[in-house]
Amino acid sequence: NAGVMQNPRHLVRRRGQEARLRCSPMKGHSHVYWYRQLPEEGLKFMVYLQKENIIDESGMPKERFSAEFPKEGPSILRIQQVVRGDSAAYFCASSPRNGANVLTFGAGSRLTVL
Amino acid sequence: SQQGEEDPQALSIQEGENATMNCSYKTSINNLQWYRQNSGRGLVHLILIRSNEREKHSGRLRVTLDTSKKSSSLLITASRAADTASYFCATDAGNQFYFGTGTSLTVIP
Repeated sequence: NAGVMQNPRHLVRRRGQEARLRCSPMKGHSHVYWYRQLPEEGLKFMVYLQKENIIDESGMPKERFSAEFPKEGPSILRIQQVVRGDSAAYFCASSPRNGANVLTFGAGSRLTVL
Repeated sequence: SQQGEEDPQALSIQEGENATMNCSYKTSINNLQWYRQNSGRGLVHLILIRSNEREKHSGRLRVTLDTSKKSSSLLITASRAADTASYFCATDAGNQFYFGTGTSLTVIP
């Protein structure tokens, strides 16, 4: 019973390129959350999705960032035209339902923008 | 922002001592949780306390919650070197889970 799977674990991009981060939730979980963590800081909420629906994207930057969770396949966090300030660890977490209280986290994807 | 804040930011203790971390938050909550993060890894859930509970235990962990002061504390008793990690509180207020800035705990063997 695999946990939350994130890939790639490490991603290096040059400024202006696109970054795609993938997250497969834990089996049986239909709710996905994305967080960003800068070095030596806490986690900043970005977006909360259910299958085919964005429930809350209040933490997402208005430009260049998007997220999806299709009916089939993993959730994708997409960052277009990356800038150095996008360098961070991006964590995905899942839960079986809203109000389930406990999040199961993936190991994170570390994005470095050169 | 509803984000909590942990205090202290960093804590260094000798193995066998107790470690206490505090968390303050800003708005009403449904529950409060504590998570642990080892360096370079994802967060792992430790314990959850509901808004109508005042204290909860799990092994060497003891959590208290004071909703009137909007604060919580995490006590780790008889610390071990393996407890070295960052500890975060998280509050659940609807669709989002808000995480604090974390306490970095170092347990010296």
